[in-house]
Amino acid sequence: GENVEQHPSTLSVQEGDSAVIKCTYSDSASNYFPWYKQELGKGPQLIIDIRSNVGEKKDQRIAVTLNKTAKHFSLHITETQPEDSAVYFCAASKDNDMRFGAGTRLTVKP
Amino acid sequence: DSGVTQTPKHLITATGQRVTLRCSPRSGDLSVYWYQQSLDQGLQFLIQYYNGEERAKGNILERFSAQQFPDLHSELNLSSLELGDSALYFCASSGAGNQPQHFGDGTRLSIL
Repeated sequence: GENVEQHPSTLSVQEGDSAVIKCTYSDSASNYFPWYKQELGKGPQLIIDIRSNVGEKKDQRIAVTLNKTAKHFSLHITETQPEDSAVYFCAASKDNDMRFGAGTRLTVKP
Repeated sequence: DSGVTQTPKHLITATGQRVTLRCSPRSGDLSVYWYQQSLDQGLQFLIQYYNGEERAKGNILERFSAQQFPDLHSELNLSSLELGDSALYFCASSGAGNQPQHFGDGTRLSIL
């Protein structure tokens, strides 16, 4: 089955800096890659997603890149703010079978 | 607001007891998923239902069971509870095809 690895497990950045979280997947048939943000006391919320026919997608300060050949995808957050502090999960999915990475705890220091 | 409703928000009970967690999916979503999240851990997939039928099973203990009703709401039943079952339990729902899952805010289960 699909295996998703996520790195780093923790990430601390200074406010205004960029943050990058990387994920790799094992099943080349996976074709949908969402990213979730989980704040304390809340459920994971979808923040951006990308499908396998696209290499990059951007939404304001957040961007996701996908390299199908290497089977890895990354989340980029620019101009980080304290409210970006949360746990971020990547996922890889095919046919509604979605597997999650272990999560990255991002801390943005003011 | 994801549109997924979970009740109750908090549940405190004792070892050996049985509890039922409830989930109402987003309007129109046929798939419901259950996850367990222990302290500072990732999302452990338990089970998926699609339109009333079990679709996929993850690391779900035999003491746990779930069902999805004709109105598409789902219940997760946890029995013979142990201290290690203390965790956040999330429900998510999705539409047909390869679509994102939308999560509720979870039920925090504490076993004393």
